[in-house]
Amino acid sequence: DGGITQSPKYLFRKEGQNVTLSCEQNLNHDAMYWYRQDPGQGLRLIYYSQIVNDFQKGDIAEGYSVSREKKESFPLTVTSAQKNPTAFYLCASSPGDRGQETQYFGPGTRLLVL
Amino acid sequence: AQSVTQLGSHVSVSEGALVLLRCNYSSSVPPYLFWYVQYPNQGLQLLLKYTTGATLVKGINGFEAEFKKSETSFHLTKPSAHMSDAAEYFCAVSASGGSYIPTFGRGTSLIVHP
Repeated sequence: DGGITQSPKYLFRKEGQNVTLSCEQNLNHDAMYWYRQDPGQGLRLIYYSQIVNDFQKGDIAEGYSVSREKKESFPLTVTSAQKNPTAFYLCASSPGDRGQETQYFGPGTRLLVL
Repeated sequence: AQSVTQLGSHVSVSEGALVLLRCNYSSSVPPYLFWYVQYPNQGLQLLLKYTTGATLVKGINGFEAEFKKSETSFHLTKPSAHMSDAAEYFCAVSASGGSYIPTFGRGTSLIVHP
């Protein structure tokens, strides 16, 4: 079955630590996205990528970094510079970069700070 | 620029009652409009979307929405609520020209009472 997988389901970060969230898709989609979800705030875009080896900052990129070395993979690193990382992180993909395209979401990773 | 307003962070209905979730948008170009549903601790999945053509759009699980350009609205309805409809619902808008990245509303939590 085609879809998006995110791992781990839960992730714990210690003070000053960088952590990486995994996102893999087998839908052959060109575009991939990372969103942060906080209660009552909807989804906020962190980074997005339209094509391999290219990515763009979203609305809240500070304290985060990404890479897109393979079409299937778009990992997100939460760095120690992100002072309030506790949130639910969602990865998504779409076939391309046209506005009418549906986004397909993974099951999410919940990041907690120890 | 584009934006979405979802009226009511929580909507409570009885099982069998009409469901109405409100969404108003702002867009400087013809919009593409989406409703997504999120069950607890899961990713989002598409309920329905409007791109062009018929303004009444039917989606999964008996939901439908009507695009009203004059009212800049895209309200989501279902004639009879089921307990399984309890979830978070997000309205989103993207542009037919320029930025294709959707803007999400803050979400409405649907509570269904027996």
